[in-house]
Amino acid sequence: AQSVAQPEDQVNVAEGNPLTVKCTYSVSGNPYLFWYVQYPNRGLQFLLKYITGDNLVKGSYGFEAEFNKSQTSFHLKKPSALVSDSALYFCAVNYGNMLTFGGGTRLMVKP
Amino acid sequence: KAGVTQTPRYLIKTRGQQVTLSCSPISGHRSVSWYQQTPGQGLQFLFEYFSETQRNKGNFPGRFSGRQFSNSRSEMNVSTLELGDSALYLCASSLSAGWTYEQYFGPGTRLTVT
Repeated sequence: AQSVAQPEDQVNVAEGNPLTVKCTYSVSGNPYLFWYVQYPNRGLQFLLKYITGDNLVKGSYGFEAEFNKSQTSFHLKKPSALVSDSALYFCAVNYGNMLTFGGGTRLMVKP
Repeated sequence: KAGVTQTPRYLIKTRGQQVTLSCSPISGHRSVSWYQQTPGQGLQFLFEYFSETQRNKGNFPGRFSGRQFSNSRSEMNVSTLELGDSALYLCASSLSAGWTYEQYFGPGTRLTVT
């Protein structure tokens, strides 16, 4: 069975500092990996995906993620955080017919 | 281009009743997926429809069902509602079937079961 874990319920970072939101997955074979963001009282918005190819994936709003097969990780990163990045972030993995989400990480960026 | 719309936005039902939620995808999108979001279980995949056919289904009981119409609009039905069905139900559309296509989410329907 496939699974995905986001080990941190909340990440706090100061505005202007780099941010990392962690995601690890457990699935055999070659998964598809995704990051979504959810702002208060709104649905999810797609940030980026890894299907195949370059391990460094660039997405919306300056976010990027690095696929690391040996560590089965797909951490979300941004070089300089903005207060407006404060939101709930979800990592998701697909293999076969299922799409499985992590529990979510709340990112708080303080001015 | 209009986004994904879901109706109603809020719904209050009583245990034992049934409910139907509606999702209109982005024009030209042919795939619709449904998700349940709760504080306890997080985000869980319900099912995916493409060309009026259910392609994939998550681990939910048979009380949860759906369908897709020829215009790609989709409905989700929950029968014999339980308190635990209280959740935000999200619909997402994409150009075609399969997870390689970007999904666009609607704002959700907040269902409260009393």
